[in-house]
Amino acid sequence: QKEVEQDPGPLSVPEGAIVSLNCTYSNSAFQYFMWYRQYSRKGPELLMYTYSSGNKEDGRFTAQVDKSSKYISLFIRDSQPSDSATYLCAMSAGTGNQFYFGTGTSLTVIP
Amino acid sequence: DGGITQSPKYLFRKEGQNVTLSCEQNLNHDAMYWYRQDPGQGLRLIYYSQIVNDFQKGDIAEGYSVSREKKESFPLTVTSAQKNPTAFYLCASRLAGVGEQFFGPGTRLTVL
Repeated sequence: QKEVEQDPGPLSVPEGAIVSLNCTYSNSAFQYFMWYRQYSRKGPELLMYTYSSGNKEDGRFTAQVDKSSKYISLFIRDSQPSDSATYLCAMSAGTGNQFYFGTGTSLTVIP
Repeated sequence: DGGITQSPKYLFRKEGQNVTLSCEQNLNHDAMYWYRQDPGQGLRLIYYSQIVNDFQKGDIAEGYSVSREKKESFPLTVTSAQKNPTAFYLCASRLAGVGEQFFGPGTRLTVL
């Protein structure tokens, strides 16, 4: 079983839609959770960083962590064509530990 | 302007050659990482370094080597022992003791 599972999509939505991206994980020691956005042929860009459980909001983006279910989500409100990219989830158990990544979900927002 | 730089952006290698990918950061980060990204496989850890003059193998270290002589630099050598080196290589860094990791722009290596 992989440490982190992420549906690869592709996901296609109309402009203005709410997008929900999800990852599940198996290691209960994970405490740090990240979402990255990666445009084609570019390095991943950090979008959200969350410690432990709960919600975090930044503009149109909301990250949720449910440690009891080992499930994390990223919501994108009022999606824009510029949001079209691959979204990677990542997590770590803490200082000095490796990061584990999902395989990424490809999102296309249609104008 | 702080950040992580990788060079070159594109690199072509002939069979049997060693090539070195550069990664430099001016963020004063302690830890640095090298990942390989292949379609449908996500990011796989090659090597990482928590401090200068120390580094550890990741999940796919065979055929690769690294050095960490300076805090800001973590070059990766892809040796001829790496049988399938064509991939997108990403360097990352983070502060010691802090969770998030930041990435460079990547180097695309192609074997001819």
